[in-house]
Amino acid sequence: GEDVEQSLFLSVREGDSSVINCTYTDSSSTYLYWYKQEPGAGLQLLTYIFSNMDMKQDQRLTVLLNKKDKHLSLRIADTQTGDSAIYFCAETRGRGADGLTFGKGTHLIIQP
Amino acid sequence: DAGVTQSPTHLIKTRGQQVTLRCSPKSGHDTVSWYQQALGQGPQFIFQYYEEEERQRGNFPDRFSGHQFPNYSSELNVNALLLGDSALYLCASSQRGVYNEQFFGPGTRLTVL
Repeated sequence: GEDVEQSLFLSVREGDSSVINCTYTDSSSTYLYWYKQEPGAGLQLLTYIFSNMDMKQDQRLTVLLNKKDKHLSLRIADTQTGDSAIYFCAETRGRGADGLTFGKGTHLIIQP
Repeated sequence: DAGVTQSPTHLIKTRGQQVTLRCSPKSGHDTVSWYQQALGQGPQFIFQYYEEEERQRGNFPDRFSGHQFPNYSSELNVNALLLGDSALYLCASSQRGVYNEQFFGPGTRLTVL
């Protein structure tokens, strides 16, 4: 099966909170990441969390990690039209030394 | 401070040809990783270069090879192109030992006809 799994689509109304979920299988994952990709563009690193943390907040973004269930989520508060993009969850075991394993991405669709 | 840059932006090749893609890392970064992103998929790790050597490799055949230069820039070479090699090729740079924060370039769109 997939190493990192995500739902393909999420639709939210402008101003609401978006919660994008991800599950991973590798229990030795050390670092978990959220990347954003807009159409025709490369990937933008949004945030990351170490496996020994369970929460990280950065402005409108909140990352929650449940290591027992191998579940990662990204909450975007007050979702705006500019948040419309594909969001990728990724994991790695290394420290500056390993390639990232990505999910297939979640398309975030913003309704007016 | 320029971020990660890649060239060319787009490339069209035919089956059986060879291609070279280039990447310049973000200033201060010494590690370069290459990824292949097929349409509708997440990026897949090809390999990583540090100190001019390939340090880690994903599940890609030997047709995919690379190089890192003393100035940390890197090339990705693909031989005997197949239709299935059509994808967005992404380069990411990082500073080894710094929490593996990988910063991505805009990518090179390769189309194989």
